[in-house]
Amino acid sequence: RKEVEQDPGPFNVPEGATVAFNCTYSNSASQSFFWYRQDCRKEPKLLMSVYSSGNEDGRFTAQLNRASQYISLLIRDSKLSDSATYLCVVATNAGKSTFGDGTTLTVKP
Amino acid sequence: EAGVAQSPRYKIIEKRQSVAFWCNPISGHATLYWYQQILGQGPKLLIQFQNNGVVDDSQLPKDRFSAERLKGVDSTLKIQPAKLEDSAVYLCASSLGPLTGYEKLFFGSGTQLSVL
Repeated sequence: RKEVEQDPGPFNVPEGATVAFNCTYSNSASQSFFWYRQDCRKEPKLLMSVYSSGNEDGRFTAQLNRASQYISLLIRDSKLSDSATYLCVVATNAGKSTFGDGTTLTVKP
Repeated sequence: EAGVAQSPRYKIIEKRQSVAFWCNPISGHATLYWYQQILGQGPKLLIQFQNNGVVDDSQLPKDRFSAERLKGVDSTLKIQPAKLEDSAVYLCASSLGPLTGYEKLFFGSGTQLSVL
């Protein structure tokens, strides 16, 4: 079993749709959680951190459930520019980051 | 602010040949990482340095891969000899450090390696 598992995707949605991605992790010692975005043939870039209380950044909402070892990302009112691969990242306090394999989103007009 | 610099951008070699990649992190960043990203997968950590010391190299195939960061600044990753399964994008990342918990990673553009 992989340390970080994500929905396999791909997700193909129309503009304006709401889409949710899920991620589970196996290391109960994990302390920090993030979503990175990776455009085709580009490097990953930090999208947002994920906190137990949930956090929102514009159209993006991230949630963490430590008891279930589950992380989610919700995108509302999808834009064409949201098309990318979304990587779930789990990190220990020693700074070791483990990436999921990503979920690909395509937003269509 | 200059980002993480990597070279070359692309490299094509034959199996059993050697190859080296170079990375210059963001100025002042103490922690440097090398990741391997195979097509369709997420980045996998190969080695993590803090200044010029190795923090984690547990997933580095040490029989063929080596990395160094001699002066605590730029770094090289070498593969000798290369295998077909080494075909991937090699990403260098840096973070401010020292390690006090998780810090945001800044990635370079990567080197795409094709082993024929």
